[in-house]
Amino acid sequence: DAGITQSPRYKITETGRQVTLMCHQTWSHSYMFWYRQDLGHGLRLIYYSAAADITDKGEVPDGYVVSRSKTENFPLTLESATRSQTSVYFCASSESGRKGEQYFGPGTRLTVT
Amino acid sequence: QQQVKQSPQSLIVQKGGISIINCAYENTAFDYFPWYQQFPGKGPALLIAIRPDVSEKKEGRFTISFNKSAKQFSLHIMDSQPGDSATYFCAASGGTPLVFGKGTRLSVIA
Repeated sequence: DAGITQSPRYKITETGRQVTLMCHQTWSHSYMFWYRQDLGHGLRLIYYSAAADITDKGEVPDGYVVSRSKTENFPLTLESATRSQTSVYFCASSESGRKGEQYFGPGTRLTVT
Repeated sequence: QQQVKQSPQSLIVQKGGISIINCAYENTAFDYFPWYQQFPGKGPALLIAIRPDVSEKKEGRFTISFNKSAKQFSLHIMDSQPGDSATYFCAASGGTPLVFGKGTRLSVIA
């Protein structure tokens, strides 16, 4: 199906484990973004990418790693999960990094125990 | 300077009433102001956006009012319906990726 997909949709992991959240888009959009959504904080940008092999930090990058070897994929890795990383994670893509519409995926609800 | 302050946090409006959500910013380099709507369990989706060269933009029941001198912009939902119940985020950008407000949870009651 065309669009932007995230997997898994739900994930429970233990403190200290590595976990990778996947994001895939079929539009060939140049820009991709990772956000986390927490009550009282809204949407906070973790990392973004302007093109394959180009990534940049957002507002809250600590504890996260991203890569983008292909235009359509933008995985987010928590190298050693902490309870503070319990959140809902959204991936988004856009033709333009600043002024274009961002298309959001359905989200991944991550719980770190 | 990068913040966008959104109010109120939550809003309850009677069906048929007007919902008003306000946002304020400090960074004068911001030049694009979208609003996103998010239903429970879904990702946000673009609702309407405005650039600072106009003071108002209307799409159906949704209107953005923009006050450049006050560095404020607001979303008005006319004839609010229960189907409008969602979380609304204002955002802004200007040379950087979008900065989002913290969101307003709107409940429209019959």
